[in-house]
Amino acid sequence: EVQLVESGGGLVQPGGSLRLSCAASGFTFSTHNMNWVRQAPGKGLEWVSYIRSSSSTIYYADSVKGRFTISRDNAKNSLYLQMNSLRAEDTAVYYCARESQYYDGSAYHYVNYMDVWGTGTTVTVSS
Amino acid sequence: DIQMTQSPSSLSASVGDRITITCRASEHISNYLNWFQQKPGKAPELLIYAASSLQSGVPSRFSGSGSGTDFTLTISSLHPEDFAAYYCQQTYFAPRTFGGGTKVEIK
Repeated sequence: EVQLVESGGGLVQPGGSLRLSCAASGFTFSTHNMNWVRQAPGKGLEWVSYIRSSSSTIYYADSVKGRFTISRDNAKNSLYLQMNSLRAEDTAVYYCARESQYYDGSAYHYVNYMDVWGTGTTVTVSS
Repeated sequence: DIQMTQSPSSLSASVGDRITITCRASEHISNYLNWFQQKPGKAPELLIYAASSLQSGVPSRFSGSGSGTDFTLTISSLHPEDFAAYYCQQTYFAPRTFGGGTKVEIK
C-alpha cells in the first residue's frame, strides 16, 4: 500500500524549533519529488516547500524562507522539514505529499500533481 | 507569484444538483492546474490533474476543464459524500499556490 506517515509535530514556544519527518512506503521514494503543505486551523491549504527527487532543486514559500529547511534521505525513504524560529502563525497541520507527473502529449510537457498525501502532523506554536 | 482565485468561496446545494466551481490564475499557467477535495479532519485528495484528467478511482461525475487562466470543476450530480471543501492548485511555477477554497454545503 502506498503510504506517507508524518511525525514530529507538537507544542513549541515561539522562537523554538521542530523537525518533522515523513516516512514513505509502498512506492519508489527516490523517483518522486516531494512537498510539504500546511493548513492553519479553519483556513485553507498553503504550500510550504518542494524538493526534487535528487534534492537538486528546492523551493520555499516566502512565509517560511530562511526559517525552514526541507531535506530527504532516499536511502531511508524519508522526507524532513526542519523548522526554526517558529511563530504563532506557523501553527497548522503539516502534510507531506508525493508528486507524480503526467505527460501531456498534445502540449508536449509534463504536469506535476500531488497524488498521495499523509494524514498530517499538528504543530502548535504557543507560549 | 501566481495568485489563484476561486469562486464562490462557499455554496449551498442539494443532492442531485449540478455545480461548478471556478478557479482563475493571475497569469497564464497552461494546464498546470489540479483540483483537490478535502473533508473535515482529513487530508486532501486529488480529483483532477492537468486541468481535465480524472484521477484513478474518482467518480466520473467529477470533471475539469480550462486552460491558460480560467478553469472549472464541475460535479454533474451531487452525492451526499461530495459535501466538502474543494481547492485548485497551480504547479506551473513555484510557489505552487492554492486557491482559497470552496466549501460545498448541504442546502
